[in-house]
Amino acid sequence: DTGVSQNPRHKITKRGQNVTFRCDPISEHNRLYWYRQTLGQGPEFLTYFQNEAQLEKSRLLSDRFSAERPKGSFSTLEIQRTEQGDSAMYLCASSLDKSGSRTDTQYFGPGTRLTVL
Amino acid sequence: GENVEQHPSTLSVQEGDSAVIKCTYSDSASNYFPWYKQELGKGPQLIIDIRSNVGEKKDQRIAVTLNKTAKHFSLHITETQPEDSAVYFCAAISNYGQNFVFGPGTRLSVLP
Repeated sequence: DTGVSQNPRHKITKRGQNVTFRCDPISEHNRLYWYRQTLGQGPEFLTYFQNEAQLEKSRLLSDRFSAERPKGSFSTLEIQRTEQGDSAMYLCASSLDKSGSRTDTQYFGPGTRLTVL
Repeated sequence: GENVEQHPSTLSVQEGDSAVIKCTYSDSASNYFPWYKQELGKGPQLIIDIRSNVGEKKDQRIAVTLNKTAKHFSLHITETQPEDSAVYFCAAISNYGQNFVFGPGTRLSVLP
């Protein structure tokens, strides 16, 4: 399977704990995105990487959230001191930028569902 | 910034009938409009997309139409099947926009 993969698929944690999610994009895709999706809503943009550079962060991304993409391949999203409001599906997507525009097609992974007790 | 509205929020159709989902957007600079299908417990899957240099695009039973003047675009599914049941999201973005803005989704149920 050459699609976007995410691990773990499910994570249950207690409030105040730290969690880390991993995303492996489609091979050779140079852009990687993180979204958050709550029940009954569309995905909301969190941040994106062009290769290893984090180029944009949403105001939704509080200072408890940090994302990395070392070497421009896989990415990790860490949430520190989790709160119940962090419970959501965290989606990763990747795309291949050919022209420098933002309209390249994004392919999503299956998501990581986080439950904070 | 961009704002995307989507209607209806839920839609039930009989198997074999057609389904239409409509989205409106606010940023006239938006020029790329993808549609995603999301099944329970899975990530969104791209089903069709359209760019502003065309008014309509078709792929088998699925078609998308775009009216840039009115700033709306629609997803058309013909000969619906039970496996079409899912949540459908539209999105919009401009060439040098900030990021994809998704609509709130439409839950489609195809009744056998």
